[in-house]
Amino acid sequence: QKEVEQDPGPLSVPEGAIVSLNCTYSNSAFQYFMWYRQYSRKGPELLMYTYSSGNKEDGRFTAQVDKSSKYISLFIRDSQPSDSATYLCASGGLDNYGQNFVFGPGTRLSVLP
Amino acid sequence: DAGVTQSPTHLIKTRGQHVTLRCSPISGHKSVSWYQQVLGQGPQFIFQYYEKEERGRGNFPDRFSARQFPNYSSELNVNALLLGDSALYLCASSLRAGEVSNEQFFGPGTRLTVL
Repeated sequence: QKEVEQDPGPLSVPEGAIVSLNCTYSNSAFQYFMWYRQYSRKGPELLMYTYSSGNKEDGRFTAQVDKSSKYISLFIRDSQPSDSATYLCASGGLDNYGQNFVFGPGTRLSVLP
Repeated sequence: DAGVTQSPTHLIKTRGQHVTLRCSPISGHKSVSWYQQVLGQGPQFIFQYYEKEERGRGNFPDRFSARQFPNYSSELNVNALLLGDSALYLCASSLRAGEVSNEQFFGPGTRLTVL
């Protein structure tokens, strides 16, 4: 079992739709949960991160973490064609020395005008 | 201010050769992390350096090595290249190690093809 799993898609939605992206993870020691957006031929861009369980909202984006079920979600409201990209979830922990994050394979999203 | 820069952008090597990839972090950032992203997969953590010391290492063979220089730039070296080393190599810089923040930025990557 991979440590972080994610449906690779592709996922196509019409402009204005609510998008739900999901990941599961297996390591109960993971404390940090991140969502990245990666446009074609670019490096990933950190969208949001949460620590432990709960929700976090930033504009049209909402991240949710349910540690009891090891489930991570990203919701995008009023989706735009510019949201078309690959969305990567990542989780892991930190120690005094650095980071140990594991990425999912990414979900490719297309928002159609 | 320039973002994270990586060189070269593309590279073609043959099996058994050696390669050096370079990364310059954002000015003021002291931590550099390296990731390997195989096509269709998420990035996989290779190394993290902070203040010129290794702070983290992923599950990669000893053919992979890295270092960080006094100006905080970094090199990733891969010896005895295998076909499976073909990937996008990403560098990420951040102010410090040992924390998560919105102050981590990825470079555009170096696309390595091993023939």
